[in-house]
Amino acid sequence: ETGVTQSPTHLIKTRGQQVTLRCSSQSGHNTVSWYQQALGQGPQFIFQYYREEENGRGNFPPRFSGLQFPNYSSELNVNALELDDSALYLCASSLGTSGGPKTGELFFGEGSRLTVL
Amino acid sequence: GQQLNQSPQSMFIQEGEDVSMNCTSSSIFNTWLWYKQDPGEGPVLLIALYKAGELTSNGRLTAQFGITRKDSFLNISASIPSDVGIYFCAGQNYGGSQGNLIFGKGTKLSVKP
Repeated sequence: ETGVTQSPTHLIKTRGQQVTLRCSSQSGHNTVSWYQQALGQGPQFIFQYYREEENGRGNFPPRFSGLQFPNYSSELNVNALELDDSALYLCASSLGTSGGPKTGELFFGEGSRLTVL
Repeated sequence: GQQLNQSPQSMFIQEGEDVSMNCTSSSIFNTWLWYKQDPGEGPVLLIALYKAGELTSNGRLTAQFGITRKDSFLNISASIPSDVGIYFCAGQNYGGSQGNLIFGKGTKLSVKP
């Protein structure tokens, strides 16, 4: 069974630039969620994708956007980067939004560490 | 918005000691989860709880879903050096998207051999 994989693992950008982060979901999972984790904090929900559509969004501005592809992999795009966007970006996959047992169990990748200078 | 209060913020214990940490919320959750995060890695799911009052074990770890649905605790028995890390509680709401977990700020555990 293949776990959640993310790329790149580390990257450095300058303020105002754009970034794309990628995620492959765990085998058998059709839902992907993205989280931002600032240093010393717990992860914060950005948004979730199910059936290639956004299915829930946290308190993040529109310059944070995403995509999900037919193979369930996903991208997180951040435009007009700000210094405060420096964080660990985590992707998590799960078994979908049927509401059944265990659909709340998210499995995380190792994250992409973004530094904005 | 909803917030989780996780305590203690950090713990320094001797190997072999038992550990207890907890989370409280201002509102109810229908699912509580506990994750562990090692440096440079993503959180790893330890235990998931789905019913008020539920008590679940995973090896030396035991977690409970509070009866009020507003709290949960995690116990680790007979700690060992590899228990070092940051432990996060997370709650999930009725009506929200399944991915919308609310995380606490974490409990940093240090174990002295």
